[in-house]
Amino acid sequence: DQQVKQNSPSLSVQEGRISILNCDYTNSMFDYFLWYKKYPAEGPTFLISISSIKDKNEDGRFTVFLNKSAKHLSLHIVPSQPGDSAVYFCAASEIQGAQKLVFGQGTRLTINP
Amino acid sequence: NAGVTQTPKFQVLKTGQSMTLQCAQDMNHEYMSWYRQDPGMGLRLIHYSVGAGITDQGEVPNGYNVSRSTTEDFPLRLLSAAPSQTSVYFCASSYAILGGTEAFFGQGTRLTVV
Repeated sequence: DQQVKQNSPSLSVQEGRISILNCDYTNSMFDYFLWYKKYPAEGPTFLISISSIKDKNEDGRFTVFLNKSAKHLSLHIVPSQPGDSAVYFCAASEIQGAQKLVFGQGTRLTINP
Repeated sequence: NAGVTQTPKFQVLKTGQSMTLQCAQDMNHEYMSWYRQDPGMGLRLIHYSVGAGITDQGEVPNGYNVSRSTTEDFPLRLLSAAPSQTSVYFCASSYAILGGTEAFFGQGTRLTVV
């Protein structure tokens, strides 16, 4: 049973436009959510996170929104840049500390010039 | 700072062979974890540790052993490699903090079992 789901395997966006990546979860015990970015042949790198006590967190071009009632979160990238082309993973944790992250399948984002 | 260092980067094993994937971190993090990533899937937790001498199983622990004798090192042992263990393995570390935190990942080890 997949507790964290990213239903879009890929997304293509024009440079300068907004990219919106979505993630759904089923475990109501999750209280911390993260987005990671991954380039080929590299490890995932942390992008942004949000605690379950918030509904929005912003860091530069990146904003994460959390809708707890819908068990849904999204990552907005504005404006999208060619360097944003990568695979994005949504992850969740139900305890303090990130030693037991549960990941979605990932969404491959391609930014077209 | 090196962060999280994994060795080797690539490895080919024959079925039945054993090997150890090394992971070291220099950030003095309490927590360390091992994940595997397979095509079309996210990362899945194999084993994790909340401190030296303390380890526990994750979602997919079968066929793997771990130990944590020091804060810095968290090796992953494949006892008898099987083709189903062909995957990319990532080690991660994180610190304990109220409110949640991120994990830092190594570059990965690509393992092929033939």
